[in-house]
Amino acid sequence: DTVMTQSPLFLPVTPGEPASISCRSSQSLLHSNGNNYLDWYLQRPGQSPQLLIYLASNRASGVPDRFSGSGSGTDFTLKISRVEAEDVGVYYCMRALQTPYTFGQGTKLEI
Amino acid sequence: QITLKESGPTLVKPTQTLTLTCTFSGFSLSTWGVGVGWIRQPPGKALEWVALIYWDDDLRYSPSLKSRLTISKDTSKNQVVLVMTNMDPVDTATYYCAHTVSPHHYFDFWGQGTLVTVS
Repeated sequence: DTVMTQSPLFLPVTPGEPASISCRSSQSLLHSNGNNYLDWYLQRPGQSPQLLIYLASNRASGVPDRFSGSGSGTDFTLKISRVEAEDVGVYYCMRALQTPYTFGQGTKLEI
Repeated sequence: QITLKESGPTLVKPTQTLTLTCTFSGFSLSTWGVGVGWIRQPPGKALEWVALIYWDDDLRYSPSLKSRLTISKDTSKNQVVLVMTNMDPVDTATYYCAHTVSPHHYFDFWGQGTLVTVS
């Protein structure tokens, strides 16, 4: 199975400052169609996960533009340009190239 | 508006069979490309993908759980059912169902989750 490795696992941030989370896949997530099948999710405390980014760099509907995704192949990054209090929670990357889908260990972002 | 809701027992005994139902609205599982997946999360731990069913009855299972899982759909009732046999305490988790669309493969709408304890 493909292993998804996130870093850091814990991310203390100051409101208004940028934040960055890395996700590395043990196998390439680049499809022959040119898309990288990597999604990002945020799970706020006590809530269900929500989709932030799909296909590595596409923001989901309603997601603020301070969130951006980048990367290709095996290395991906989620960036928050200016962290706000509501961004607190655990961020997961997910390999979506083919089943079995696999999640990273999660990165806990705290203010 | 797409919504999903999981239902089932909150407590099962070891070796018993778990049956969870995902009841959804706002979409049809007979529509091309649509799927419903199950994802679980043990307390304090990461998310784990479990199973997936597509509009065309394409079934996908986690390799580590495959021998114990059956996923099915009832299009007329807007429901997806997950059956997991031989439950063990390590299966204690919150189980989520979620909407997906091929070929993007993301989960864009999630249920609230249901906590199943095996004890």
